[in-house]
Amino acid sequence: QKEVEQDPGPLSVPEGAIVSLNCTYSNSAFQYFMWYRQYSRKGPELLMYTYSSGNKEDGRFTAQVDKSSKYISLFIRDSQPSDSATYLCAMSWLGNEKLTFGTGTRLTIIP
Amino acid sequence: DVKVTQSSRYLVKRTGEKVFLECVQDMDHENMFWYRQDPGLGLRLIYFSYDVKMKEKGDIPEGYSVSREKKERFSLILESASTNQTSMYLCASSPGTVRGSYEQYFGPGTRLTVT
Repeated sequence: QKEVEQDPGPLSVPEGAIVSLNCTYSNSAFQYFMWYRQYSRKGPELLMYTYSSGNKEDGRFTAQVDKSSKYISLFIRDSQPSDSATYLCAMSWLGNEKLTFGTGTRLTIIP
Repeated sequence: DVKVTQSSRYLVKRTGEKVFLECVQDMDHENMFWYRQDPGLGLRLIYFSYDVKMKEKGDIPEGYSVSREKKERFSLILESASTNQTSMYLCASSPGTVRGSYEQYFGPGTRLTVT
């Protein structure tokens, strides 16, 4: 079993829809959770960063962490065609310099 | 803004050639990383460096070596390229947990094809 599981998709939704992207993990030591966005033929860029449990909001994006269920989510409101990309979750624990990544979910927003 | 640059966007090499991939970061970050990214397999860590001349093997180090002679520069070396090393190679850097940061900043990637 992988430490971090992420549905690879692909996921296609109409413009304006709410998108929900998810990862589950098995290592209860994870405390730092990130979402990266990767456009085609580009490197990943950090989108959201959260520590421990709870929600964090940034514009149309909300990151949610449920440590009791070992489940993290990224919600995108009012989705736009420019949100079409691959989204990768990543996580780490205290003092660990390395990140453990999910395999990524490919998202397409249809105009 | 953090900037991580990689020497080539696209590279085509022949089987058996020695290949050098260069990565430079301009934010005085302690840590640097080399990953490869393949469809369905996600990002896999090849090597990690936490200081000049210091390195640590990642999940898939076989067939690769690295060099970090200066803090800002981290090189990935394919000693004898093989077709199964055809992939997207991504370099990343991070300030490090000593500075309270777990975030990694990525370069644009090098698409390497070995024929």
